[in-house]
Amino acid sequence: AQSVTQLGSHVSVSEGALVLLRCNYSSSVPPYLFWYVQYPNQGLQLLLKYTSAATLVKGINGFEAEFKKSETSFHLTKPSAHMSDAAEYFCAVRANTGNQFYFGTGTSLTVIP
Amino acid sequence: DTGVSQDPRHKITKRGQNVTFRCDPISEHNRLYWYRQTLGQGPEFLTYFQNEAQLEKSRLLSDRFSAERPKGSFSTLEIQRTEQGDSAMYLCASEPDRGFTDTQYFGPGTRLTVL
Repeated sequence: AQSVTQLGSHVSVSEGALVLLRCNYSSSVPPYLFWYVQYPNQGLQLLLKYTSAATLVKGINGFEAEFKKSETSFHLTKPSAHMSDAAEYFCAVRANTGNQFYFGTGTSLTVIP
Repeated sequence: DTGVSQDPRHKITKRGQNVTFRCDPISEHNRLYWYRQTLGQGPEFLTYFQNEAQLEKSRLLSDRFSAERPKGSFSTLEIQRTEQGDSAMYLCASEPDRGFTDTQYFGPGTRLTVL
């Protein structure tokens, strides 16, 4: 079975500080992993995805994530937080044998001016 | 490419009423998904279409829920005899059919409130 766990339902950082949002996956085979962002009253927008190519994945808006098989992790980072980064972030996993996506419970990011 | 659209954006209904939501995917996207998202949770998979065929349904999808995609383009999700527990955001997503590395594109969602 596929699942993801996002540690920390709320994260606060100061503007300009490092953003680190954690995601661990559970999968019997190397999965495909995604990070999505959701702004209030909007749908989800893809930030980046890991599809078994490079383990360090760069996405939009300066975000990146590193796939670490040994740690079963896919943490999202951004060197310097901006006020516009305040949103809900979801990690998702997709098995390479099916069509279902499994989303984590989300992490709400607050950026303090 | 105008993105995935959903209608209505908001729906308030009384318990026991039927509601229907519509999703228009990105043109030429063969795959279409419905999700339900409740407050504080990530989206939960409901069902999936490949063109007009409904290929997967979650066990979360009770028999009060039905989805169609009659011509392989837009899709509808109907909830019969709504219950207060059905209150949620219903999200639609579409993707092309190029494999498991495809990206799902989400619509803005329909927020359902059952009184």
